[in-house]
Amino acid sequence: TQLLEQSPQFLSIQEGENLTVYCNSSSVFSSLQWYRQEPGEGPVLLVTVVTGGEVKKLKRLTFQFGDARKDSSLHITAAQPGDTGLYLCAGIGGSQGNLIFGKGTKLSVKP
Amino acid sequence: DAGVIQSPRHEVTEMGQEVTLRCKPISGHNSLFWYRQTMMRGLELLIYFNNNVPIDDSGMPEDRFSAKMPNASFSTLKIQPSEPRDSAVYFCASGQGPPRSDEQYFGPGTRLTVT
Repeated sequence: TQLLEQSPQFLSIQEGENLTVYCNSSSVFSSLQWYRQEPGEGPVLLVTVVTGGEVKKLKRLTFQFGDARKDSSLHITAAQPGDTGLYLCAGIGGSQGNLIFGKGTKLSVKP
Repeated sequence: DAGVIQSPRHEVTEMGQEVTLRCKPISGHNSLFWYRQTMMRGLELLIYFNNNVPIDDSGMPEDRFSAKMPNASFSTLKIQPSEPRDSAVYFCASGQGPPRSDEQYFGPGTRLTVT
């Protein structure tokens, strides 16, 4: 069974700080996706990384896919309260090619 | 576009009662997914439809759960009889795949509480 472990589970920081959250697996994934979920809403796709070693930037968010395609990280520079939410990583896995989600990192950015 | 629409947004019911959750996918999308989210288990796929046909229901926990998609604009997830351990947030998502891993657009979810 392919699993995605996300760390930390919870993160509370002050506005303006930098942070990194991680998504790790013992399995290789053909691609990984990152979603953000706000309270009372469904997840929204932020980015898909496909190539090992790939780095993608989305404003203050930087996503990296590990060289071996087993892990990924999300770095946020100068966090803002609007970044608050649950960050989920998801990889394509299993015999059916379904999206397998990690349990997420719950980020709280205090003003 | 209105996005994926789910109803009800909140449902509180007693153990043993039947629960029906509803979903209207984004127009033009031919893939539909039902997920369940809990603190313990995270987001889990229950069932996947493509062109209104159930393709993968391996995530459906047991026979108490059933899902239908009578047409391209409507799907239901039914739990009968409901149990307290079914309490969770249920999400419907739609996409333009296959592949099923294409971007999925999630609805706002239905928070189900079974007492």
